[in-house]
Amino acid sequence: EIVLTQSPATLSLSPGDRATLSCRASRSVRTYIAWYQQKTGQAPRLLIYDTSNRATGIPARFSGSGSGTDFTLTISSLEPEDFAVYYCQQRSNWPPGTFGQGTKLEIK
Amino acid sequence: QVQLVQSGAEVKRPGASVKVSCKTSGYTFTAYHIYWVRQAPGQGLEWVGWINPRTGGTEVAEGFQGRVTMTRDTSISTAYMELNRLTFDDTAVYFCARAEGPNNWLDPWGQGTLVIVSS
Repeated sequence: EIVLTQSPATLSLSPGDRATLSCRASRSVRTYIAWYQQKTGQAPRLLIYDTSNRATGIPARFSGSGSGTDFTLTISSLEPEDFAVYYCQQRSNWPPGTFGQGTKLEIK
Repeated sequence: QVQLVQSGAEVKRPGASVKVSCKTSGYTFTAYHIYWVRQAPGQGLEWVGWINPRTGGTEVAEGFQGRVTMTRDTSISTAYMELNRLTFDDTAVYFCARAEGPNNWLDPWGQGTLVIVSS
């Protein structure tokens, strides 16, 4: 079973900063990684799928990169509404619903 | 627009069962899988299983096998997840989400249903 490890657990930044979040897979997931954003009290929202494709309505400041085992979600310039928890998910291997443990992006 | 609307919060005793519904609209119900994912308080996301509304076929995560039943009613575009033999550890928010297939991305998600197991 694939394990996804996200780092850091918490990232403290200010609005306008650049955020870089990492997701590492225990073995290759090719490019089958997605990123979700979850705000407090809300359901997760799909941001990025297949490593680098933005979901419908997602602003261009969100971008994804990587392949194999190492993936990155970058937020180029943080807006106040971007402070949330971010999860990565893989669909390369069974079981299909493997998520990372999350990175909390908090205001510094 | 695509919407998944879940049933309301539930409080159950240990050993009881809970059935959560997920009513969908805005798309062809039988064309997409419905996933169930849960989130314990302050914790991450845990896959419970999925159902193929077209066939009724299901797949259940290993940790829930024997305790989870997923069904659907195509006449009302609604999926259901029933969890039996509840324990305190089942206290969580349960989400449904749409996926294009048995191993695909989840978009969109329902608002979540809080299930509290309490004596």
